[in-house]
Amino acid sequence: DVKVTQSSRYLVKRTGEKVFLECVQDMDHENMFWYRQDPGLGLRLIYFSYDVKMKEKGDIPEGYSVSREKKERFSLILESASTNQTSMYLCASSRRNSVKDTQYFGPGTRLTVL
Amino acid sequence: KNQVEQSPQSLIILEGKNCTLQCNYTVSPFSNLRWYKQDTGRGPVSLTIMTFSENTKSNGRYTATLDADTKQSSLHITASQLSDSASYICVVSPDNYGQNFVFGPGTRLSVLP
Repeated sequence: DVKVTQSSRYLVKRTGEKVFLECVQDMDHENMFWYRQDPGLGLRLIYFSYDVKMKEKGDIPEGYSVSREKKERFSLILESASTNQTSMYLCASSRRNSVKDTQYFGPGTRLTVL
Repeated sequence: KNQVEQSPQSLIILEGKNCTLQCNYTVSPFSNLRWYKQDTGRGPVSLTIMTFSENTKSNGRYTATLDADTKQSSLHITASQLSDSASYICVVSPDNYGQNFVFGPGTRLSVLP
C-alpha cells in the first residue's frame, strides 16, 4: 500500500513565524506535490518536484518555498506565516510519465495562523 | 483559462438511492480525467481514471462516464451507503507526464439513513 504521511494533522502558528510542513512517501515516486485546499475552491498547486533538488512553481507559490533533498521527502516552508495562509495543506506523490497512475495524497495538515 | 466546474455544489440523498454528479471542463489539450473521493479531514482517494479513448469506467458502485466531445463527465453512485458521504472531486489533466492537474471545487454528498 502506498503511504504518504504528513508531519502534523493540526498546526497553530503565530503571524511572522517560520513554518515547516513535512511530507514523506514510501513508494519511490518521482513526483511530489504541495497543494492548499480552501472551502469552495479546488485544490491549488503551490509547488511540485519531479526529482531530488528539482522544483517547479505552481499556481500560488508566493509566500512559500520548498525543499527536496531526498527522493522520499518534500518539505513546504512558510518563510513568514500570515493569516491568509490559514488553510488545509495536502501533499501528494505520483510516478512520473504515467498517465494512468493516480496521485496518492497524504491526510493533510490543517494550519491556523493567528 | 483551464477550468473544471462541478454540479451540484452539494447534494443530500437517502441511503439506498442512486445519484449522479456532473463535471464540465474547459481544459485543453486533454489527457485524462479522474474522480476522487475525499472524506472529511482526509486526503482525496482515487476512484477512476479515464483517458480520451475511454467513455466509461467502473469501480464497484461508482461508474464514471466521459464525453470528450462535449467536455463533460459524470459520476454515478448506485445504491448509496452512509459511507459514501464525502466530497467528490473531478480532476482533469492536460498532459501525459503526471504533473499537471486542474481540480474542480468538488460536490459535497450527504447520505442520510
